[in-house]
Amino acid sequence: AQTVTQSQPEMSVQEAETVTLSCTYDTSESDYYLFWYKQPPSRQMILVIRQEAYKQQNATENRFSVNFQKAAKSFSLKISDSQLGDAAMYFCAYRSGRDDKIIFGKGTRLHILP
Amino acid sequence: DTGVSQNPRHKITKRGQNVTFRCDPISEHNRLYWYRQTLGQGPEFLTYFQNEAQLEKSRLLSDRFSAERPKGSFSTLEIQRTEQGDSAMYLCASSPVAGMRNTIYFGEGSWLTVV
Repeated sequence: AQTVTQSQPEMSVQEAETVTLSCTYDTSESDYYLFWYKQPPSRQMILVIRQEAYKQQNATENRFSVNFQKAAKSFSLKISDSQLGDAAMYFCAYRSGRDDKIIFGKGTRLHILP
Repeated sequence: DTGVSQNPRHKITKRGQNVTFRCDPISEHNRLYWYRQTLGQGPEFLTYFQNEAQLEKSRLLSDRFSAERPKGSFSTLEIQRTEQGDSAMYLCASSPVAGMRNTIYFGEGSWLTVV
């Protein structure tokens, strides 16, 4: 079975600084997607960024980028120029190519310090 | 497009009572997912549908839980004889078609408190 591990329950970063959230996963599949979702205090889950496993190039979305290391099964999220609105729970997620289910990690709570 | 809608947003019930949550997916999304999330944890997969067909149920879903999606539109999640351990947020999500390229969109969730 696939698993997703986020080893940092909480992190803090100064406003305008850069922070990296870690995620590792375990799978025997070769075809899958990886995601980072953001869950603000309002609780609605929002997609931040996604990465296709077959692509070597790391995905970027404005201030958000990932470091995808397929062999190491690592998928970290880098947030540049952190803003107060980035404060939220961040979940790393794996979507199976076999059955379309998404499996989430336990999350990292990100605090932005003004 | 109004997004994924869940009702009620909050429900307080006494132990032993039955509760039902409703999810209206984004129009024409044929995949619909249910997840459960407790405080400090990530969402846990419960079940999902392709149109009206229920594809899989998690082992987390005991016999007291049932989900339906009649006519492939809205879905309901019913919990019978609620227990305090059922207290959680129940998240619904939908996706336009099967396949990884399509983003899953989440609703705001339905909070259940069993007292």
